[in-house]
Amino acid sequence: QVQLQQWGAGLLKPSETLSLTCAVFGGSFSDYSWTWIRQSPGKGLEWIGKINHSGSSNYNPSLKSRVTISVDTSKNQFSLNLTSVTAADTAVYYCARGLTVVIAFDFWGHGTLVTVSS
Amino acid sequence: SSELTQDPAVSVALGQTVRISCQGDSLRNFYASWYQQKPGQAPVLVIYGKNNRPSGIPDRFSGSSSGNTASLTVTGAQAEDEADYYCNSRDTSGNHLVLFGGGTKLTVL
Repeated sequence: QVQLQQWGAGLLKPSETLSLTCAVFGGSFSDYSWTWIRQSPGKGLEWIGKINHSGSSNYNPSLKSRVTISVDTSKNQFSLNLTSVTAADTAVYYCARGLTVVIAFDFWGHGTLVTVSS
Repeated sequence: SSELTQDPAVSVALGQTVRISCQGDSLRNFYASWYQQKPGQAPVLVIYGKNNRPSGIPDRFSGSSSGNTASLTVTGAQAEDEADYYCNSRDTSGNHLVLFGGGTKLTVL
């Protein structure tokens, strides 16, 4: 069974950098893409970006200037960095496994609530 | 196009059939996937591709598409199907970007 376990700081001050990591257990790491998605309180899902095992990435244009997603294939992990956070970045952040043939996310992490507050 | 549009809320009587729709230009070229999200939980994939259900998803969930509209149908809705449902697909820019619809709150009466 595939499991995604994520962790990172849950409380940040404005202008700080959000850092989250997701570890993948089970399944093939190289046959899928690896994605970060967030959900602001009471709102819908927002795609942040994705990366594959070779390090090729794509980002949401609205966040692209502040986002970096990286991958560590030796540990089957991928990470999210979001710089210069504001209150608008307060959200639950999910990591997820993406299928490659169609856009679909079949396994998700449990989510990490990140609150940005001074 | 950079948008997928869903009705904010839909209701269905217990045991009846309901269709949840998702509209967007990208759906003319790409399949939608559908997710169920219950309060406090991560989304769960229920339909992907033409009409594929992941293991463990009941067969009362099905997907279809016509033109710029994708639909998720729940045949014989159960109380446990009450949740938010999101569609997603890729955009048409050629940049491998991902779109999500705004979500539909399904109430089972």
